[in-house]
Amino acid sequence: QVQLQESGPGLVKPSETLSLTCAVSGYSISSGYYWGWIRQPPGKGLEWIGSIYHSGSTYYNPSLKSRVTISVDTSKNQFSLKLSSVTAADTAVYYCARQPETYYYDSSGYLRSPDYFDYWGQGTLVTVSS
Amino acid sequence: QSVLTQPPSVSAAPGQKVTISCSGSSSNIGNNYVSWYQQLPGTAPKLLIYENNKRPSGIPDRFSGSKSGTSATLGITGLQTGDEADYYCGTWDSSLSAKVFGTGTKVTVL
Repeated sequence: QVQLQESGPGLVKPSETLSLTCAVSGYSISSGYYWGWIRQPPGKGLEWIGSIYHSGSTYYNPSLKSRVTISVDTSKNQFSLKLSSVTAADTAVYYCARQPETYYYDSSGYLRSPDYFDYWGQGTLVTVSS
Repeated sequence: QSVLTQPPSVSAAPGQKVTISCSGSSSNIGNNYVSWYQQLPGTAPKLLIYENNKRPSGIPDRFSGSKSGTSATLGITGLQTGDEADYYCGTWDSSLSAKVFGTGTKVTVL
């Protein structure tokens, strides 16, 4: 059974960098799939942050792209999120999840992309406050 | 601001049916697969439907998905109190090169 577990500080100061790790068990990241991060501010909806392919290629939410870095460590079977220059608006429950790959068509032809989220972590609340 | 629009809430009595719509555009729903997620209070979202109308193992056939043009629909029949949750649609937006979620719909069992 695939399991994902988020970990990291629950409190981050404004202007600092939020760092989270997602440990994966029951499946080897190097075998395939995309691995994604999603967040949910208190009382609000889901927002996709970004996804990384097992080989390291990434997609990021355009609205967060300038502040986000997602990386993968296949030796530890985990992937990580860094979000810089945080503000109170970044306070949210952060989830990690696994995503099968799919393909979409644009003017360049067919491009590989992350599909639905089939396994999710339980989520971790990160509060941005001084 | 989400590019996929859902009704804020729907409700029905136990045993009845509800449908939840998800409206998008040609750059997202119109040309990509749609998935649906159930989020029970205080828990992580759970995959209900993928590739428009497929159910993962363990999801009862009371839940169904469909897509037509730039809209998708989640149906829940034989409504149960345990179905009270928030439901989200999701898809890929080819113009944004990004995953997008719907605004979310709260299902209430009367």
